Amino acid sequence: QVTLRESGPALVKPTQTLTLTCTFSGFSLTTSGMCVSWIRQPPGKALEWLALIDWDDEKYYSTSLKTRLTISKDTSKNQVVLTMTNMDPVDTATYYCARTWNRHFDYWGQGALVTVSS
Amino acid sequence: NFMLTQPHSVSESPGKTVTISCTRSSGSITDNYVQWYQQRPGSAPTTVIYVDNQRPSGVPDRFSGSIDSSSNSASLTISGLTAEDEADYYCQSYDSGNPAVFGGGTQLTVL
Repeated sequence: QVTLRESGPALVKPTQTLTLTCTFSGFSLTTSGMCVSWIRQPPGKALEWLALIDWDDEKYYSTSLKTRLTISKDTSKNQVVLTMTNMDPVDTATYYCARTWNRHFDYWGQGALVTVSS
Repeated sequence: NFMLTQPHSVSESPGKTVTISCTRSSGSITDNYVQWYQQRPGSAPTTVIYVDNQRPSGVPDRFSGSIDSSSNSASLTISGLTAEDEADYYCQSYDSGNPAVFGGGTQLTVL
């Protein structure tokens, strides 16, 4: 079955760089049409799409955050990595990775809460 | 960039029917598929409707999706409401320049 799991630090300091890893199983990111996305949700707020990487290594970013985000994949490890630079307390959120097929997020990880505080 | 606007909250009694709207600010709602996600407290979202009106296996047929080009909006309708339907619901779509846009979410309360 398809599973995804986010991992990374629970706490980062302002101005630091956040690195999150999504480790998945049950599908291959080499399959044509397959993608993985990152989505975040601040406490009590709405979902916000951040970035997407596809089977062909094409990358897409949120317009408002693109200068701070980098997404990459390691198909041999079944992992997708997101880095976000210059973290701020407003970036405190639960960060999800999700399998993406035809722009539909059909499987989600459980999420990783990241708190930005000094 | 376009936006998807949802009501902040809706409420209805058990057994009744509720409809949640999702209005697209620019571009046609019919240009790109709409998905609907249910999110219960403390859990990741799950799909209740995809490609406008399709239900994943395991989602009861009490959930239905539709598109209205005249109002440029999508709707999620839940009939025969039960307490387990109480959750936040998000619509999501995309266009050629934006792989994903979410609505602001609607909190459904089953009174």
